[in-house]
Amino acid sequence: QQPVQSPQAVILREGEDAVINCSSSKALYSVHWYRQKHGEAPIFLMILLKGGEQKGHDKISASFNEKKQQSSLYLTASQLSYSGTYFCGTEIYGQNFVFGPGTRLSVLP
Amino acid sequence: DTAVSQTPKYLVTQMGNDKSIKCEQNLGHDTMYWYKQDSKKFLKIMFSYNNKELIINETVPNRFSPKSPDKAHLNLHINSLELGDSAVYFCASSQDQGGGRGLLWGANVLTFGAGSRLTVL
Repeated sequence: QQPVQSPQAVILREGEDAVINCSSSKALYSVHWYRQKHGEAPIFLMILLKGGEQKGHDKISASFNEKKQQSSLYLTASQLSYSGTYFCGTEIYGQNFVFGPGTRLSVLP
Repeated sequence: DTAVSQTPKYLVTQMGNDKSIKCEQNLGHDTMYWYKQDSKKFLKIMFSYNNKELIINETVPNRFSPKSPDKAHLNLHINSLELGDSAVYFCASSQDQGGGRGLLWGANVLTFGAGSRLTVL
């Protein structure tokens, strides 16, 4: 069951913040976040496993709500290097891991 | 030293031909995957092997046949190529299966190869 991602696309200026959401109709076993730059492979950013969890490194962080049905990725003071497509991937217990449709982020100078 | 390497990076071929893509990982992972990414950027799983055993076989035409000679290698052979097969094919590996089926919590973090862009003319 594919998760829903929003927004589909976002355009920012350098230094602005962005939030990307990922939601499921069922409680999740885990949420993964990946970033894919144009012409490259997706790269793992982080995984969240526990309801209420918040995690981050540098200016990119993520949260997982208590019901384990929604996660948000926070990009703070965005840099040009943050441009790319962000995918969440979700698991329901005993089912296959599924990627969301992606959110295209463009950071302009 | 590339963790997940796949070859070739580009394939251009005519409809009806057969082609293969090879993948190797040196991470010591137990699980390997093939993903297809179409022009809309959707990442869709095709197959997954765990220790050479097929564990995920999504609805994929039987013209696509994966082979895993050992747990470090997963190849993809495609027969009778069609225009709709044009896409980027990514190989990936993870420490173990996910969804609670593996031995380790959250062990299915994916490491992707660089991708193989297939163009069918």
